[in-house]
Amino acid sequence: DTVMTQSPISLPVTPGEPASISCRSNQSLLHSSGHNFLDWYLQKPGQSPQLLIYLGSSRASGVPDRFSGSGSGTDFTLKISRVEAEDVGVYYCMQTLGYSFGQGTKVEIK
Amino acid sequence: EVQLVESGGGLVQPGASVRLSCTASGFTFSNYSFNWVRQAPGKGLEWVSHIAGSSDNIYYADSIKGRFIISRDNAKSSLYLQMRGLRAEDTAVYYCAREGHPLIPGFFDHWGQGTLVTVSS
Repeated sequence: DTVMTQSPISLPVTPGEPASISCRSNQSLLHSSGHNFLDWYLQKPGQSPQLLIYLGSSRASGVPDRFSGSGSGTDFTLKISRVEAEDVGVYYCMQTLGYSFGQGTKVEIK
Repeated sequence: EVQLVESGGGLVQPGASVRLSCTASGFTFSNYSFNWVRQAPGKGLEWVSHIAGSSDNIYYADSIKGRFIISRDNAKSSLYLQMRGLRAEDTAVYYCAREGHPLIPGFFDHWGQGTLVTVSS
């Protein structure tokens, strides 16, 4: 089974400052197509999850460009260049070779 | 506008069965794969099951394999999750999620609002 591990679990952030979340897989997510099969989702308080990033680094439609995804193989990062108050919530990575989520990273304003 | 509306949740006794439904609108249902994802109270997301557009590919999480059955009725634009032998640990909000791209796995671009299943005596 593919196990996804996120860090940190909790991330206090200051508006306007950058933030970074790590996601590691115990198996490579690099497909023979050359794409990394990893998504990032944000679940805002009281809402259903929403897609932010797919294939490791492609932003979904409507996602602000302050969000970026990077990494390959087993190590991935979600970065927010300048955090805004509306970015609070729990961020999840999900591997899409067989589907499993990381445990989530709760982002809150300091 | 794409809409996914789950129903069928509620309070059920351990060992009981329940069928969840997800009714879709605003797009051609048969063109998309779907998934069920659940979230126990105060916990993270757990992928449950996947079904392709023509039902030719179906996958399950190990935690529910043999107890849950995913299905769909393209004529009714509906997705289902038949849950049997329910346990306390199955208590969760169950979301249906559309896979929004035919060539990209994952890419859950639309989610329903979820339906809560509580397993308790």
